[in-house]
Amino acid sequence: NAGVMQNPRHLVRRRGQEARLRCSPVKGHSHVYWYRQLPEEGLKFMVYLQKENIIDESGMPKERFSAEFPKEGPSILRIQQVVRGDSAAYFCASSPRGSSEAFFGQGTRLTVV
Amino acid sequence: AQSVTQLDSHVSVSEGTPVLLRCNYSSSYSPSLFWYVQHPNKGLQLLLKYTSAATLVKGINGFEAEFKKSETSFHLTKPSAHMSDAAEYFCVVSRYSGGGADGLTFGKGTHLIIQP
Repeated sequence: NAGVMQNPRHLVRRRGQEARLRCSPVKGHSHVYWYRQLPEEGLKFMVYLQKENIIDESGMPKERFSAEFPKEGPSILRIQQVVRGDSAAYFCASSPRGSSEAFFGQGTRLTVV
Repeated sequence: AQSVTQLDSHVSVSEGTPVLLRCNYSSSYSPSLFWYVQHPNKGLQLLLKYTSAATLVKGINGFEAEFKKSETSFHLTKPSAHMSDAAEYFCVVSRYSGGGADGLTFGKGTHLIIQP
């Protein structure tokens, strides 16, 4: 009975490269959320997705960031042309339809060098 | 708009003594409030949640929290600390009365240290 699985756990990218972060929700969960945790900060909401739909992306930076949750496969958070300020821990959470409880993954720690 | 303030960035207690982690919130709505715990290299785990039922909420591992509307507080307590309680704790408020997981606002966290 696996929880939310994120990979990779750690990711190092050079400035200008692309970063792809993957999230497999709890089996049967149709809602996925991405949060970002900057150093010494709490988690900040980025985007809320259901299968094949972006429901709320009010927390996503307007450029370079995109997210998807396809019909098949994991949710992907994609960051193009990474910069040092993108270094953070990125957490994915999932919940079943209609639930207030989010189950969080272990996070992906992105370091941009 | 909503916000969460965790009043202590670090709390250190001796094993077997009480734990108090303080949290104040502001919300334009009747809030849902949560405490999450993050152990090193682990995901966030829900400790307990308040969603307008009983003001004293019991969670896992002996933790509980009391919602005090007049003080806009939701402090987390445990009568007797255990070494395994050492972790980062986050107080969280939801902008939805039902607590939708996309409307969560996190505090900056309190690092709990347990002294042997």
